[in-house]
Amino acid sequence: TQLLEQSPQFLSIQEGENLTVYCNSSSVFSSLQWYRQEPGEGPVLLVTVVTGGEVKKLKRLTFQFGDARKDSSLHITAAQTGDTGLYLCGARAAGNKLTFGGGTRVLVKP
Amino acid sequence: ETGVTQTPRHLVMGMTNKKSLKCEQHLGHNAMYWYKQSAKKPLELMFVYSLEERVENNSVPSRFSPECPNSSHLFLHLHTLQPEDSALYLCASSQDWAGQGNNEQFFGPGTRLTVL
Repeated sequence: TQLLEQSPQFLSIQEGENLTVYCNSSSVFSSLQWYRQEPGEGPVLLVTVVTGGEVKKLKRLTFQFGDARKDSSLHITAAQTGDTGLYLCGARAAGNKLTFGGGTRVLVKP
Repeated sequence: ETGVTQTPRHLVMGMTNKKSLKCEQHLGHNAMYWYKQSAKKPLELMFVYSLEERVENNSVPSRFSPECPNSSHLFLHLHTLQPEDSALYLCASSQDWAGQGNNEQFFGPGTRLTVL
């Protein structure tokens, strides 16, 4: 059983559309991070959220941390082909170990 | 060079070979990590080093042997691997391991390993 469940596993949309991916758990985390990984590269950190209910915006990306610090969402507005990649959430629980979800593979078609 | 670098980027080896993966970080960080990324599985943490001491070993088979000679370099020595060990091996570093602040991890590009 995965500590972090990401959904959907795969998402294909047209350029200009909006999308939301989710990261859920039954555990409470002290912090949660979102990464994007492109083919042939390592994950690149997008954002870290630490406060329940926190919302952070990074250009067209909006990240939200659940009030109970058990879940998070990533919303992309007006997706571009450059947003294509594997989106990973990683969360830190007791013991400081960073655990990752299975990822959501996003394909933005021109 | 900046960030985290890994060599080689691609490696093909037979089950009887011995090879090593190298990671170098140019960020002045104190903690370094090895992860395994397989298709359809989450990133799996293999080893953690903090200030050159191994602080975590997540039930990894002994055919994988890490080495951290200094805080900037991390190696993963491979011997007698199995085909199911084929994966992307990622190295990462963070300022500290012990949960200070966010401890954001910076990843290298990975080594794509194929075991025949």
